[in-house]
Amino acid sequence: NAGVTQTPKFRILKIGQSMTLQCAQDMNHNYMYWYRQDPGMGLKLIYYSVGAGITDKGEVPNGYNVSRSTTEDFPLRLELAAPSQTSVYFCASSGRFRDGYYEQYFGPGTRLTVT
Amino acid sequence: GENVEQHPSTLSVQEGDSAVIKCTYSDSASNYFPWYKQELGKGPQLIIDIRSNVGEKKDQRIAVTLNKTAKHFSLHITETQPEDSAVYFCAASPDNYGQNFVFGPGTRLSVLP
Repeated sequence: NAGVTQTPKFRILKIGQSMTLQCAQDMNHNYMYWYRQDPGMGLKLIYYSVGAGITDKGEVPNGYNVSRSTTEDFPLRLELAAPSQTSVYFCASSGRFRDGYYEQYFGPGTRLTVT
Repeated sequence: GENVEQHPSTLSVQEGDSAVIKCTYSDSASNYFPWYKQELGKGPQLIIDIRSNVGEKKDQRIAVTLNKTAKHFSLHITETQPEDSAVYFCAASPDNYGQNFVFGPGTRLSVLP
């Protein structure tokens, strides 16, 4: 299993540009998540999905959009990039332990700079 | 909503010493408390977790304790090694099965040789 994969690893955007961060998982997990991590800070939830066709906002959704057309893929779209969106973005997926609880598996992250 | 605080923000210990990281949470409904380790340039990885019906859990050199009355939980690492150097995040989940977490701000642990 590749686990959770993210592309690209690094990206520099100009203010006002748009881009899509790709995320895929091969563990057949229902739950998928997008987080951002600002320097020296914890992880803030942007959006999450409980299954194909179902998405919901997290703590910091403004400026982002998501879609979930398949179980495997969960892309994050940035429209009109702003310097405040400079961050490291992590995608995660989650499946149940044998005892019924969920464990989140994280991808390697995408480092985005908006200038 | 849930709010998780974590202390200290940075911690340096000598190799072989113990390290303790403490977290507090605000939502008394939270019932699942995972700890994640993030090495440089990588995504976080689960290292241990504890459920609300358990007071302590150990896995080799790491242990986690939970005090539901006081709403705090702690990570203990004994006999620290250089490879323990990383950022550690605590988290709390009020969901029935831990589907969504709120993370603490993280602790940067440095183990000095």
